[in-house]
Amino acid sequence: AQSVTQPDIHITVSEGASLELRCNYSYGATPYLFWYVQSPGQGLQLLLKYFSGDTLVQGIKGFEAEFKRSQSSFNLRKPSVHWSDAAEYFCAVGARSGGGADGLTFGKGTHLIIQP
Amino acid sequence: EAQVTQNPRYLITVTGKKLTVTCSQNMNHEYMSWYRQDPGLGLRQIYYSMNVEVTDKGDVPEGYKVSRKEKRNFPLILESPSPNQTSLYFCASSWRGWNTGELFFGEGSRLTVL
Repeated sequence: AQSVTQPDIHITVSEGASLELRCNYSYGATPYLFWYVQSPGQGLQLLLKYFSGDTLVQGIKGFEAEFKRSQSSFNLRKPSVHWSDAAEYFCAVGARSGGGADGLTFGKGTHLIIQP
Repeated sequence: EAQVTQNPRYLITVTGKKLTVTCSQNMNHEYMSWYRQDPGLGLRQIYYSMNVEVTDKGDVPEGYKVSRKEKRNFPLILESPSPNQTSLYFCASSWRGWNTGELFFGEGSRLTVL
């Protein structure tokens, strides 16, 4: 079974600074990988996904993530954060078997705090 | 507007009193799923449905039931709620399985069982 680890429970970044949120996964083959964001009181919104191809993927709101097979990682980055980026971020992995029927496995989340 | 709608958004109930959390999507999606979110545990899948009359257990199905009689609706039923089912619940849908594109989430239903 697949698993996801987000090592940082909380991260504090100054507005305008760069951001990197870490995600490590465990899966026997190349997985499907996702980053979702949850703003306070809201549901989850997809930021970006990796299925295959170029290992650097671009998402919404200026985010990008890089799939590194050798490190089993899919870290999320943003060059300059805005106060509105304060939220909970979830990395998720899906198995290629099952045809998308079974669920995504989510990490426990990283809470991003933006300092003025 | 494309959306997933859950009701109620907030509910406080007592142990053993049956309740239903409704979920409806207007995107003609085949796939629907329920997750619960608990502090420090992230999201865990309860049940999912690939299409009408097709449902299956996720990782934490105990104490829950679902039905999928219509494509747009996927209610979550707690026949006899217990305090350990106090949680934030999310319904999600996608076109045909989460690997066919974006998984759309509702805004969540916060349930407290006393």
